[in-house]
Amino acid sequence: ETGVTQSPTHLIKTRGQQVTLRCSSQSGHNTVSWYQQALGQGPQFIFQYYREEENGRGNFPPRFSGLQFPNYSSELNVNALELDDSALYLCASSLGGGRFGEQYFGPGTRLTVT
Amino acid sequence: KNEVEQSPQNLTAQEGEFITINCSYSVGISALHWLQQHPGGGIVSLFMLSSGKKKHGRLIATINIQEKHSSLHITASHPRDSAVYICAVTQGGTGTSGTYKYIFGTGTRLKVLA
Repeated sequence: ETGVTQSPTHLIKTRGQQVTLRCSSQSGHNTVSWYQQALGQGPQFIFQYYREEENGRGNFPPRFSGLQFPNYSSELNVNALELDDSALYLCASSLGGGRFGEQYFGPGTRLTVT
Repeated sequence: KNEVEQSPQNLTAQEGEFITINCSYSVGISALHWLQQHPGGGIVSLFMLSSGKKKHGRLIATINIQEKHSSLHITASHPRDSAVYICAVTQGGTGTSGTYKYIFGTGTRLKVLA
């Protein structure tokens, strides 16, 4: 059974650019959630995908978008990057659209926007 | 006022001490989670609770739904328990599409001294 993996590990982008982060869920999990954690802050919920549909969203602008694929892996896309988007981006997989089972977190992607 | 409040914010204990971290929330929830985050970012889910009490090794988590309060206890604390402990609550989920939310508490930074 493989755990949750994320790629890339680190990324440096310039303000205004676009970025795509990837997450592979744990085997058997059909739900992926994405979180943003700024340095020294707690995580903030971005959105959750369950069976390829967005199942809930936090207070993030539309330039944060996502996808979930038939194999339940997921992408987070951020357009028009701003300096404040610099953060650790975490994904977590679970089963059942958030109601059942605990979340298993990936190691994160650290994004730096210059 | 945050929807999920934790206390204390910082805690230093001697090895072997019994530790309690408290979490209060002000919203309706479908579940409450206790998470552990070590330096470097990795997050581990410790417990998911919707009622009662759960125990795993030296860790015990309780929840009182009527009082909207949860506690995380660590018995016989050890320096390897040093981490940030985060309480989080979930709303919505399966069967209420689009309404899922995950709200994090402010975190408790625990340091256990040898």
